[in-house]
Amino acid sequence: GAVVSQHPSRVICKSGTSVKIECRSLDFQATTMFWYRQFPKQSLMLMATSNEGSKATYEQGVEKDKFLINHASLTLSTLTVTSAHPEDSSFYICSAPGLWNTEAFFGQGTRLTVV
Amino acid sequence: GIQVEQSPPDLILQEGANSTLRCNFSDSVNNLQWFHQNPWGQLINLFYIPSGTKQNGRLSATTVATERYSLLYISSSQTTDSGVYFCAALIYNQGGKLIFGQGTELSVKP
Repeated sequence: GAVVSQHPSRVICKSGTSVKIECRSLDFQATTMFWYRQFPKQSLMLMATSNEGSKATYEQGVEKDKFLINHASLTLSTLTVTSAHPEDSSFYICSAPGLWNTEAFFGQGTRLTVV
Repeated sequence: GIQVEQSPPDLILQEGANSTLRCNFSDSVNNLQWFHQNPWGQLINLFYIPSGTKQNGRLSATTVATERYSLLYISSSQTTDSGVYFCAALIYNQGGKLIFGQGTELSVKP
């Protein structure tokens, strides 16, 4: 199957700072990638759809100015959590659809802790 | 939008037992996937199964698209099967995003 690589896997940052998370498709191109957020003991909730060459599409309730998404190339999308607060602490995970937009493949996830 | 419901929410098994996890979805879907989330959070693709039946070792899955449900079977369970199992549905006209169920947390005891 296709490989999606996400970095870093774990990050601790201070309140008020920004954190960038990278999501790369290693052996295929992805014009679309998806960013999800997961709180402890809960399911994955879609935050936004990252589109190569155009603006990201955010789900209702997700602050676009706080969660900046840039789809810089056909293999890279980044999520920047700006001015992080402790309530932003969560597990963030990206995905990319495989060939013909069928099976989805996920990165390893990033566990963000804001102190 | 589409609703995805999983049952049971929690399941405790003795090693060697069999189990069936269920996923119901409220509308027609283009894609249905099953995932296992390991203790480190990574989602492991188990099955891509919009319809029909597939088997992979001790795991198998069946999706009956006309009746809007999918089943994941785990036979001869092992402690390494523990974790959370998610099903997720995709509808192309909703941008290709996956809608996840709430998951089934499986604990296999030795």
